[in-house]
Amino acid sequence: DSGVTQTPKHLITATGQRVTLRCSPRSGDLSVYWYQQSLDQGLQFLIQYYNGEERAKGNILERFSAQQFPDLHSELNLSSLELGDSALYFCASSVAPSGTDTQYFGPGTRLTVL
Amino acid sequence: GENVEQHPSTLSVQEGDSAVIKCTYSDSASNYFPWYKQELGKRPQLIIDIRSNVGEKKDQRLAVTLNKTAKHFSLHITETQPEDSAVYFCAASGAGFQKLVFGTGTRLLVSP
Repeated sequence: DSGVTQTPKHLITATGQRVTLRCSPRSGDLSVYWYQQSLDQGLQFLIQYYNGEERAKGNILERFSAQQFPDLHSELNLSSLELGDSALYFCASSVAPSGTDTQYFGPGTRLTVL
Repeated sequence: GENVEQHPSTLSVQEGDSAVIKCTYSDSASNYFPWYKQELGKRPQLIIDIRSNVGEKKDQRLAVTLNKTAKHFSLHITETQPEDSAVYFCAASGAGFQKLVFGTGTRLLVSP
């Protein structure tokens, strides 16, 4: 157990819908990262937050948004869902925002868009 | 930006053999190189990492080597076991970077 929690574990929804994925970082970690992993694909970096502020953006679609709250948990919002958005979504956390800090991954949320 | 290439994409070995996975990176400022193991449907787990002030690091059956001149690093798994079967990802980053850049993954299959 990495100490990073994600809810829900599984999410099944229809095209055009909107969902929210939640992540709680390890105790003491201030930085949260979101990744998307499609079937048999690698880890695509979406976005990073540090202490409530957005720090870096990757291949995140405009239909997707995220935020980090004062208690440091983060939410990833996915809207106007398409079949291709079906994937595993992971969040990871680290103490600081530097890329050299060890990132610990949560168990992931499996999103299925029908 | 940083780019990480990983080879091979698939690796099949017999139990007890060694396995080697290689990665190359493009940004000479990178100085942190972690390796993650991901079992099917599970989260990536950090198994070993190396920083640029060392050339080699060992942890039981795992070893990582780093060649900064050639900008490549490798994961060596000795005495492989069936439970080593998983996808392995290398990654690279640096102090001024905001994120890890991951390789495309190697699917390792260890046959009994």
